[in-house]
Amino acid sequence: QQQVKQSPQSLIVQKGGISIINCAYENTAFDYFPWYQQFPGKGPALLIAIRPDVSEKKEGRFTISFNKSAKQFSLHIMDSQPGDSATYFCAASRVDRDDKIIFGKGTRLHILP
Amino acid sequence: DAGVIQSPRHEVTEMGQEVTLRCKPISGHDYLFWYRQTMMRGLELLIYFNNNVPIDDSGMPEDRFSAKMPNASFSTLKIQPSEPRDSAVYFCASKEGGAPGELFFGEGSRLTVL
Repeated sequence: QQQVKQSPQSLIVQKGGISIINCAYENTAFDYFPWYQQFPGKGPALLIAIRPDVSEKKEGRFTISFNKSAKQFSLHIMDSQPGDSATYFCAASRVDRDDKIIFGKGTRLHILP
Repeated sequence: DAGVIQSPRHEVTEMGQEVTLRCKPISGHDYLFWYRQTMMRGLELLIYFNNNVPIDDSGMPEDRFSAKMPNASFSTLKIQPSEPRDSAVYFCASKEGGAPGELFFGEGSRLTVL
């Protein structure tokens, strides 16, 4: 119930292509879904987040799509650049609980120059 | 603010030795989290504190692990005795109350137990 399942584990995309990372959750009490980006040797940093009252959120080249009925959400990176090469984590939490955040296992993204 | 500060950045020790990892959260943040990152298991939540009080330590692997937060600006994660399977990157993160999901991570402490 507490798990967030993330796929794929790794992803290679050509420069300029679209990178897509998918996540699924079980606990319907989750109502806040952030994505984190981690570069080698650094800690994860918040990239973008979505609440389930909207189906999509866009910030620059990064878009979260949310499907509440399927309990799935995904990150799309448009016009992927070599600088986007990093590990991406999806996560889930409960706003009312204001406590722990459950992370997916991460996706290692490599953008070919 | 300097962000979340962790020390040491790297630690190499021998099996059976005690290891202490340290964390200074961002000033004013009410929550402090300790995570462990490995290739196999991803980011695992070990324990978190709210206003210096441990709230959930269900992720602590076993009694060899302990964590304290004596004041709002300092926390430690101790492993005694350490084992090779404890080798991982340990992250400390903090956040404000009322800001769900917005964790600020330190740069991590890479632990190698030989």
